[in-house]
Amino acid sequence: QLQLQESGPGLVKASETLSLTCNVSGASISSSPYYWGWIRQPPGKGLEWLGSSSHSGGTYYNPSLKSRLTMSVDTSKNQLSLRLTSVTTADTAVYYCARNYLPNIIFDAFDLWGQGTVVSVSS
Amino acid sequence: QSVLTQPPSVSAAPGQKVTISCSGSSSNIENNYVSWYQQLPGTTPKLLIYDNDKRPSGIPDRFSGSKSGTSATLGITGLQTGDEADYFCGTWDGSLRGGVFGAGTKLTVL
Repeated sequence: QLQLQESGPGLVKASETLSLTCNVSGASISSSPYYWGWIRQPPGKGLEWLGSSSHSGGTYYNPSLKSRLTMSVDTSKNQLSLRLTSVTTADTAVYYCARNYLPNIIFDAFDLWGQGTVVSVSS
Repeated sequence: QSVLTQPPSVSAAPGQKVTISCSGSSSNIENNYVSWYQQLPGTTPKLLIYDNDKRPSGIPDRFSGSKSGTSATLGITGLQTGDEADYFCGTWDGSLRGGVFGAGTKLTVL
C-alpha cells in the first residue's frame, strides 16, 4: 500500500532555510508516472500549492514562491525533497506531500497525502 | 486572498442537502478540471471529487460535483454529523501557471 511520510525540523529561525523530505513507501518513484506535490496549510487557513515534480517530467513551482523554492525527486532513496530559503513567520504551516491522482498530470487532484509535518518559523 | 472564492461557512440539518460553491474565472475553473477535498478536524485533506464530477473509489454517492462556466459546486445529500468538516476546491490556473485552492468552507451540521 502506497504511503507518504513527511519529515522536517519542526522549528526554523527566520531568514534560514527550511528542508523537508517525503518518504514514499509501497511503490517505486522511478517507475511511477505520477507527479508528486507539496501543499502547505498555515494555521487556521486554507491550502496552498507549492509545486509538483516527477522523476521524468520536471518540476513546476508556485510562481509566488519560485525564487525561494527548490523541489526534487530522489529515486535512489525513493523520496521527495523541498527546500525553502529565507523563511519568515508567514511560512509557518503544516507541510504535506501528496500524489496527483491521474498519471502524467501536473495538478489535477491529490488522492494520497502524507500526514503532514508542522513547521514553525521563529522570529 | 484566494483566486477561488468559497463561502466561509454553510450549515444544514441532519438528513438535509447542502451545496458549497467555488467561484473562479476563465483562467482557472472554466477551462480546467475542479477537485474537492474534505478535511475533518485535525486530519489530512481527503479527495472527494476529481475532474469536476467524478468520485474516487470509496466515496459515497451522497457527494457530487458539478461545474458550469466559471463556477463549481459540491453537493452533499443525507447530511450526517460526521460530515462536519472544512471543504476545499482546487484547480489549475493557466494565467498564474500553477495550482490554486479555495480558502475553504466550514460545514456545520446542526
